Amino acid sequence: EVQLVESGGGLVKPGGSLRLSCEVSGFNFRTFTMNWVRQAPGRGLEWVSSISSGSTYIYYADSVRGRFTISRDNAKDSVYLQMNTLRAEDTALYYCARDECGSCALDSWGQGTQVTVSS
Amino acid sequence: QSVLAQPPSASGTPGQRVTISCSGSNSNIESNYVYWYQQLPGTAPRLLIYRNDQRPSGVPDRFSGSKSGTSASLAISGLRSDDEGDYYCEAWDDSLSGRVFGGGTKLTVL
Repeated sequence: EVQLVESGGGLVKPGGSLRLSCEVSGFNFRTFTMNWVRQAPGRGLEWVSSISSGSTYIYYADSVRGRFTISRDNAKDSVYLQMNTLRAEDTALYYCARDECGSCALDSWGQGTQVTVSS
Repeated sequence: QSVLAQPPSASGTPGQRVTISCSGSNSNIESNYVYWYQQLPGTAPRLLIYRNDQRPSGVPDRFSGSKSGTSASLAISGLRSDDEGDYYCEAWDDSLSGRVFGGGTKLTVL
């Protein structure tokens, strides 16, 4: 069974940092591109970042570029999102999702981890 | 404002057919595949349609997708009460070098 489990969310003050993790099981992690997608309270889905299977291709949404860093450890079947200089507008439920080719369908999603940026 | 434009709401009665539109541009929908996701209340999104009109295994054939030029649409026939939720279109955008989502359409079954 394919599983993606996010962790690392929490309450952080504006300007602070947080590192999210997504550990997967049930599929060959090292052959998939991994993505982070977020959803602010009561709002729609917003793609945040993606990293290719070998970490060669990394992309960010304009809203997070320069503040967030995506990385992965294929030996640990995990992908990470380091979030720095957090703002109130980064408050959201953060999902990790896999895709086969970098622009293929997001065919499996985790349940999300909540990030709240507030003083 | 989302790069892909969707109507904020749609509705229908049980058994009816409903269509949700998704409008983009030549840098996203026209040149790349369109995907559709269903998000039921309190749950994570689920892939509904891939490569414009393909259904993953387990998705009923009541759901169908199509694409023409810079627009795409999702059709749901034989509407059921448990279809209530939010529906999102998504595509890769060549100009932005990233994925873009529609703002989502909230489907209500009356």
